[in-house]
Amino acid sequence: EVQLVESGGGLVQPGESLKISCAGSGFSFGDSSMHWVRQASGKGLEWIGRIKTKTNKYATIYAASMKDRVTISRDDSKNMAYLQLNSLTTEDTAVYFCANSLSAVIDSWGQGTLVTVSS
Amino acid sequence: SSELTQDPAVSVALGQTVRITCQGDSLRNYYANWYQQKPGQAPLLVFYGKTNRPSGIPDRFSGSSSGITASLTITGAQAEDEADFYCISRDRSGIVLFGGGTRLTVL
Repeated sequence: EVQLVESGGGLVQPGESLKISCAGSGFSFGDSSMHWVRQASGKGLEWIGRIKTKTNKYATIYAASMKDRVTISRDDSKNMAYLQLNSLTTEDTAVYFCANSLSAVIDSWGQGTLVTVSS
Repeated sequence: SSELTQDPAVSVALGQTVRITCQGDSLRNYYANWYQQKPGQAPLLVFYGKTNRPSGIPDRFSGSSSGITASLTITGAQAEDEADFYCISRDRSGIVLFGGGTRLTVL
C-alpha cells in the first residue's frame, strides 16, 4: 500500500522559512516523481512544484507564482522528499500535500500537514 | 491559455448520471486526470488518461475527452460520490495545471 506522510508543519511567523518533509513507502520511491500541492481552507488545490527522478537528473519545476520562494529536494536513500518555503506570508497558510507520480500526472497523496503563518 | 476551467457546482439526483467537465487548451495535447476530494481528506485519483480507472474505483466513474474539453461521467451517482472533483493536466513545459474544482451534490 502506498503511503505518503508529511511532517514539519506548524505555526510560523511572517517572514520566516519552513522545511516540510514527506516520507514515502509502499512503492518504488526512486522511480517516482514527487509533487507538492497546497490547499488553503475552503479553497481549491494549488500545485507548487515537482522533482523528477535520479534518471531524470532530479529536474525540478515550479509554479510561476512560487518559484522564487520554494525549493523541492529529495533523498532517495531515505525515501524522503522535502519542500523548503521562504519568506512566508499569511497567504501561505494552507494544508501542504506531497504526492507521487508513477502512472498518472499525480497518483497518490499524503494526508497533508497544516502550515499556519501568523504573528 | 494555461488554465483549466470547471463549473463550480453541479448536482445530480440519486441514481442518475452526471457529467463534470473541464476545459483548457492543454487538453488538446494531454489527457485530464480526475480526483475526488471529500471534506477533511486527501484527493483520490478516480480516472486518468484515455481509459484508466485505478484499482478500487467503481466502474460508474468514466472519462472522456474531445478537443479542449475533458469530462468525468458518473453513471448512477451514489450518495457517497458527493465531493469536490478536480481535473488536472499539464502543459508542454511540465507545469501541472489544476482546475478550480466542481462541488458535486447528490440529491
